[in-house]
Order: sequence, then structure tokens, then C-alpha cells
Amino acid sequence: DAKTTQPTSMDCAEGRAANLPCNHSTISGNEYVYWYRQIHSQGPQYIIHGLKNNETNEMASLIITEDRKSSTLILPHATLRDTAVYYCIVRLRSEKLVFGKGTKLTVNP
Amino acid sequence: NAGVTQTPKFRVLKTGQSMTLLCAQDMNHEYMYWYRQDPGMGLRLIHYSVGEGTTAKGEVPDGYNVSRLKKQNFLLGLESAAPSQTSVYFCASSSGPSSYEQYFGPGTRLTVT
Repeated sequence: DAKTTQPTSMDCAEGRAANLPCNHSTISGNEYVYWYRQIHSQGPQYIIHGLKNNETNEMASLIITEDRKSSTLILPHATLRDTAVYYCIVRLRSEKLVFGKGTKLTVNP
Repeated sequence: NAGVTQTPKFRVLKTGQSMTLLCAQDMNHEYMYWYRQDPGMGLRLIHYSVGEGTTAKGEVPDGYNVSRLKKQNFLLGLESAAPSQTSVYFCASSSGPSSYEQYFGPGTRLTVT
């Protein structure tokens, strides 16, 4: 069974914030939320991860709800180069990555 | 550092032919992985290795063999290629089982006719 649910596609205007949701209602206490993205035809790229607290790095912010059943990846100022498929993955640290179909984000000029 | 590199970038095979895909990493990572990606799908794990001389099956191992004779290299072999193995193959590496980040190569696009 899929551990995460993501919208198939989303659009965002260049320069605006892109907010990508992920539902993981069956997440267990020790499972982390990871985000990767895959720009067209390239290998996936790690973005960010979190357990309970909100996280921010140079690429994005990750907001996890208090009950941990959902999260949102935020790209604060989306650019055309952020057009990609974004994968939300839930796993224990020792488990292997399992990729779903992700969300196709299109950033429009 | 080159990171993770894959050879070749493209290949066309006829059904029944064999070939080997090479993955190399220069980050001294213990773990290495082979994935395949079909159109409109996420990545699926074929085989992986937790260290030199070790290999293990992933989600879709049938029709593939792997070897990890050197820590920096992970080879994926197709003994008798089939059209169903037409795919894009990605190699990845990580420093260990608890590593947050896997580093991916640029991919090999394989077509089997």
C-alpha cells in the first residue's frame, strides 16, 4: 500500500511560492518524511527531510502538521528551473527509498 | 568530485543480447543501488549493495545480476535482454543505511528491440 498521497500535477507562477502537499495519514512515530525531486530526464535530487519539526534549508522549507499526517514542501520563490516531479517519501531511516509517482510541478513565466 | 557516474548514457540492444551497465562513485560510499524508471512511473529498486562484495535483491530483481567487486563500482548485468527491460536505469549511492541522502547518477537509457 502506498504510504503517501500527492496530487498528480500543480502549477505555479514564477517568483511565487510553490506549496506541494503530501498526505501520509498512516505514518508511524519513527518514520521520516523525505522530499526528492527529478528534473526532466535527470537522476532524482534530495531536497529536505524531517521527523516532527519544521525544517528549512537553502532549497526549501518542510512544514509537518502536529499530528504528522500531512506535510507541505514550500519552494519560497519558484523559478523555471524548479519545474520537476517532486516525490514525497515516508520511511524509517534504515529503510530503502520507495518512490511513488510524485507531483509534476510546472512553474510558468 | 564527479559524484556518481554511469556508463553508457544510451544503448540499444536486440532481444537476447547481453550487456553490463557500470556505475562508479568517488564519495567512498558504502551503499550503492540500481533503479529502473519506466514512463510515468516512479523509480523501482532492482538490486543494492551494502558494501564491497555484497549484493541484495530489491523490488524488481528478475532478469538482472549485479556485482560489487570494488567499493567504488557497482555493475548491473542483463544476460539476455528482453523488450520489457527497456527503461531508464539510475544508479545511486549513500554513506550508509541511516544516511538521509542518496546521490543519483545521470541515468542510462536502454532500448531493447
